[in-house]
Amino acid sequence: DAGVIQSPRHEVTEMGQEVTLRCKPISGHNSLFWYRQTMMRGLELLIYFNNNVPIDDSGMPEDRFSAKMPNASFSTLKIQPSEPRDSAVYFCASSQSTANYGYTFGSGTRLTVV
Amino acid sequence: AQSVAQPEDQVNVAEGNPLTVKCTYSVSGNPYLFWYVQYPNRGLQFLLKYITGDNLVKGSYGFEAEFNKSQTSFHLKKPSALVSDSALYFCAVRISGNTPLVFGKGTRLSVIA
Repeated sequence: DAGVIQSPRHEVTEMGQEVTLRCKPISGHNSLFWYRQTMMRGLELLIYFNNNVPIDDSGMPEDRFSAKMPNASFSTLKIQPSEPRDSAVYFCASSQSTANYGYTFGSGTRLTVV
Repeated sequence: AQSVAQPEDQVNVAEGNPLTVKCTYSVSGNPYLFWYVQYPNRGLQFLLKYITGDNLVKGSYGFEAEFNKSQTSFHLKKPSALVSDSALYFCAVRISGNTPLVFGKGTRLSVIA
């Protein structure tokens, strides 16, 4: 298995532009999570899906952030418009929905908004 | 509500010495506890977990952790630290499959040669 695949690995964009981050979870995993990591705030859960349905998006910082999971093998996190304070590493993770199952994380997307 | 505390932002240890990274948790119910490690410019990697049974669990790279219900702790340990163990370590807890893992803030481990 190739693991959780995120793209792009790095993204540099100008303030005001739209940014789309992509994630392919592990086949057979029915839960997907988007996290943001910064030095100041550490690891923050933004949103998670069970069986492609968004369950909790209370961690999404603003309406500029949106996430979709159109099918079991693909999810996107979109920021529109982007701002410099959105600069962070964004991780996607997937899991089975059983308590004794941990997460598998992707390698992350390092976003820089200038 | 579930919560995890990692009281130390930074732990320094000499190579060859034993290491401990502390974690305490708060849950209403039976906890499922995890440790993850993050190397520079990488995602988090699973180290070990406690589900039930023996309080001492063994994981990857020679790490182990001890579940202590009375102290609500799940400290990560290794008998002899390596420089290559230097990384960021996260403790996490969940109580059911329908709730997400709650992560601690992380502890940066530096092993000095």
